[in-house]
Amino acid sequence: DAKTTQPPSMDCAEGRAANLPCNHSTISGNEYVYWYRQIHSQGPQYIIHGLKNNETNEMASLIITEDRKSSTLILPHATLRDTAVYYCIVRVPSGGVSGNTGKLIFGQGTTLQVKP
Amino acid sequence: KAGVTQTPRYLIKTRGQQVTLSCSPISGHRSVSWYQQTPGQGLQFLFEYFSETQRNKGNFPGRFSGRQFSNSRSEMNVSTLELGDSALYLCASSLVAGTNQPQHFGDGTRLSIL
Repeated sequence: DAKTTQPPSMDCAEGRAANLPCNHSTISGNEYVYWYRQIHSQGPQYIIHGLKNNETNEMASLIITEDRKSSTLILPHATLRDTAVYYCIVRVPSGGVSGNTGKLIFGQGTTLQVKP
Repeated sequence: KAGVTQTPRYLIKTRGQQVTLSCSPISGHRSVSWYQQTPGQGLQFLFEYFSETQRNKGNFPGRFSGRQFSNSRSEMNVSTLELGDSALYLCASSLVAGTNQPQHFGDGTRLSIL
C-alpha cells in the first residue's frame, strides 16, 4: 500500500471551511483514498473514500487531483466538534470474498484544531 | 443501525495474566479486523477475520490471537500480558473482506497492565 504524507497540525476558524491536504505520490491505479478521523478517546470514524472522481457526502467532500498523487478533504463549515486527528489512507481492495488485505495502515495524521 | 460494540470498555490486568476482548460487528458485516493503538506506535493492524478464518495478520507475537464465530462476532486474546500491552484495542467491521467497502470502528477496549 502506498504511503501518505500529511501536515502534523492545522488550525481552522469555526464556521469556515477546513481543507486538509494529503500527498500520496506513489499511489497505484487501483488504490482508493480513505479518510478517517479520531476524536479523543473514541475509535476512528469513517468519513469518505474515493478512487479518482471527487466525492461528497453529508460529512465532507473529497477532491482527488487528476494525477491522483494528492487529495484534499474539505469540511465545508467546521465546528468545534470537528476538532480531531484526521487520517488519510490509501488501500487496494484485494478483490472479493477471498480477499485478505483488509488492513488499514495509519500514519500520524493531521491534528485539526477548530477555534471559536 | 447499531455500530460496532466492544466489551469491556476498560480493563485492568497484571503482568502474566491473560485477557479476552469481545467485538460485535455491525449487523450484516462479515469481516472483522483488530488494531492496537499506543502513543508511541500509533494505530497498528493486528489481524483480520472473515468467515471464521484469519485472513491476514500483522507483526505481533503469537501471544496475540483471535477467532471469529459463525455469527461474525469476534474475540481476541492476549496471553502472558506484558506492560507494553497497555493500549487501546480497536475492532473494525466491514461488509466483506478486501473490497473497497470502508471499515467501521468501535470505541475500543482500553487495557491497562499493572
